[in-house]
Amino acid sequence: GNSVTQMEGPVTLSEEAFLTINCTYTATGYPSLFWYVQYPGEGLQLLLKATKADDKGSNKGFEATYRKETTSFHLEKGSVQVSDSAVYFCALSGGSSASKIIFGSGTRLSIRP
Amino acid sequence: NAGVTQTPKFQVLKTGQSMTLQCAQDMNHNSMYWYRQDPGMGLRLIYYSASEGTTDKGEVPNGYNVSRLNKREFSLRLESAAPSQTSVYFCASSSPSGPSSFLYGEQYFGPGTRLTVT
Repeated sequence: GNSVTQMEGPVTLSEEAFLTINCTYTATGYPSLFWYVQYPGEGLQLLLKATKADDKGSNKGFEATYRKETTSFHLEKGSVQVSDSAVYFCALSGGSSASKIIFGSGTRLSIRP
Repeated sequence: NAGVTQTPKFQVLKTGQSMTLQCAQDMNHNSMYWYRQDPGMGLRLIYYSASEGTTDKGEVPNGYNVSRLNKREFSLRLESAAPSQTSVYFCASSSPSGPSSFLYGEQYFGPGTRLTVT
């Protein structure tokens, strides 16, 4: 079935460092791909999405490109801030999982001032 | 506009006790969902309700029941709690209803209920 694999955390970076969080997926059909963010003590919020191959989702300085050839949707940010400290979830829906969203296990990101 | 609210925020139960987790949304969304979040396992769908009057099982429904009380409210009941149900529970809502709400993945989440079963 469909699945999402993302890099294990925790990831610790200094402020203004470049961020990459890897996400790869297994899916039949043509899923949509998402990144959700969970700040401490809160529920998940949609960060960005891409609904077809080569689409780039972007929000708050974060970007991710839907790469069908490598089945990847890596999250990047050029210069992280302390306020970006959170848990990030890669997710997919559609294809053979049309009635479900499949979440990755989450990557905890901590940014040092 | 409160979004999605959940009560209680924290709960401790003994094995065999029952309880109901409450969820309400004020965004006029048709679809509502219950997830559980366990360390290292992401979120897993327990039940969902595509529209008022309908409910369907998700990935891990055993040990739970749900009620879509009206368009705003969707409750999750544990009839006989077990230690394996220790988790953080999230309610979410989205619109429009049906499969397309999953297709675009724009779900709005509540703050969660942390449940411990001893």
